[in-house]
Amino acid sequence: IAGITQAPTSQILAAGRRMTLRCTQDMRHNAMYWYRQDLGLGLRLIHYSNTAGTTGKGEVPDGYSVSRANTDDFPLTLASAVPSQTSVYFCASSDSPGVKPGGYTFGSGTRLTVV
Amino acid sequence: DQQVKQNSPSLSVQEGRISILNCDYTNSMFDYFLWYKKYPAEGPTFLISISSIKDKNEDGRFTVFLNKSAKHLSLHIVPSQPGDSAVYFCAASGFSGSARQLTFGSGTQLTVLP
Repeated sequence: IAGITQAPTSQILAAGRRMTLRCTQDMRHNAMYWYRQDLGLGLRLIHYSNTAGTTGKGEVPDGYSVSRANTDDFPLTLASAVPSQTSVYFCASSDSPGVKPGGYTFGSGTRLTVV
Repeated sequence: DQQVKQNSPSLSVQEGRISILNCDYTNSMFDYFLWYKKYPAEGPTFLISISSIKDKNEDGRFTVFLNKSAKHLSLHIVPSQPGDSAVYFCAASGFSGSARQLTFGSGTQLTVLP
């Protein structure tokens, strides 16, 4: 089934540890995004990539890094996790850096708890 | 400062009645608006959208209304069904640099009571 696969589905992480959230899509979409969802704040953009080889910062990029070595993969790395990074993380993609009527396709999310 | 606001964190409606979810935005450069629906433990899924050149778009039980002068949009669900119970996110599209991005509201939890 075409779509976005995120791994892991959930993780408990000690503060200070490094963690990479994985995201893979099989739709050959050009653009990919990482959002975090927090109660009362909705979905906030962390980083994005309009095409393979390029990345950009979103609304809340501090403490996170991304890479886009190919079209399909867009990993999100927390270099040194802090409790404020406890959240649900969603990866999304779209077939162009624009927004078409169908918008973005989202993965099922990774629930991260930093203790 | 949030550019897209959903001021009602929750809404309860009786089955068969109308559900109205509201969304306000501040950035006049937004020109495309979308609603997403999210069930627990799943990612958001696209529901319906509207371009700024329209004031209404209808898809089955779902209708989105856009009032550009008031910078306000709403989602109407008629009739509401228990399966509609979910979190609904409003999103607005505009250019950030050379590419478009989506800005989301904080979501409204809709509960449809049987």
